[in-house]
Amino acid sequence: SQTIHQWPATLVQPVGSPLSLECTVEGTSNPNLYWYRQAAGRGLQLLFYSVGIGQISSEVPQNLSASRPQDRQFILSSKKLLLSDSGFYLCAWSRGGSRETQYFGPGTRLLVL
Amino acid sequence: GENVEQHPSTLSVQEGDSAVIKCTYSDSASNYFPWYKQELGKGPQLIIDIRSNVGEKKDQRIAVTLNKTAKHFSLHITETQPEDSAVYFCAAGLMDSSYKLIFGSGTRLLVRP
Repeated sequence: SQTIHQWPATLVQPVGSPLSLECTVEGTSNPNLYWYRQAAGRGLQLLFYSVGIGQISSEVPQNLSASRPQDRQFILSSKKLLLSDSGFYLCAWSRGGSRETQYFGPGTRLLVL
Repeated sequence: GENVEQHPSTLSVQEGDSAVIKCTYSDSASNYFPWYKQELGKGPQLIIDIRSNVGEKKDQRIAVTLNKTAKHFSLHITETQPEDSAVYFCAAGLMDSSYKLIFGSGTRLLVRP
């Protein structure tokens, strides 16, 4: 069966500090990978998606970037965090070749102070 | 672009009663409509989905209906139980050509014992 991991689970960072959130998927090959952000009490906003190693598509221009160094690894980064970057970050995957049925990870709660 | 509106934002029902959550979408080309359940502090879990070539789909106590003409779809939960308490999100997407799911703002369901 497939599993998706995210770490860290929670993170408190000062404004202006860098960020690196990691997501890995097990049990599948060549998945599509996604990064979402969920603001408090709000729906999910797609930030980035990737259909393969090194292939990143950005949905929302902002302070964040994403990378996919390995087939089942997806990283969300920032060089300098803003207060507005606080939120719940969710990684998701779907089967390669399918855009449907996205499965979410447990999420990382980020608080920027 | 696609916009998804979800109602109500909060819903309180007595255990054993039914709960209905409604969503409307703006892009008539959308063809995939998943529903997710999110428990506190966790990632969303897919509970049911429907494609535009189907009007209704059931899975035990959960059902989803789709009205393409009116561009709305609904989640029906029968015989509610306290463990159904969570935030529910609808989403819509044009999965033939896009990787992007547009999410509603969520419904907080409380099932009173």
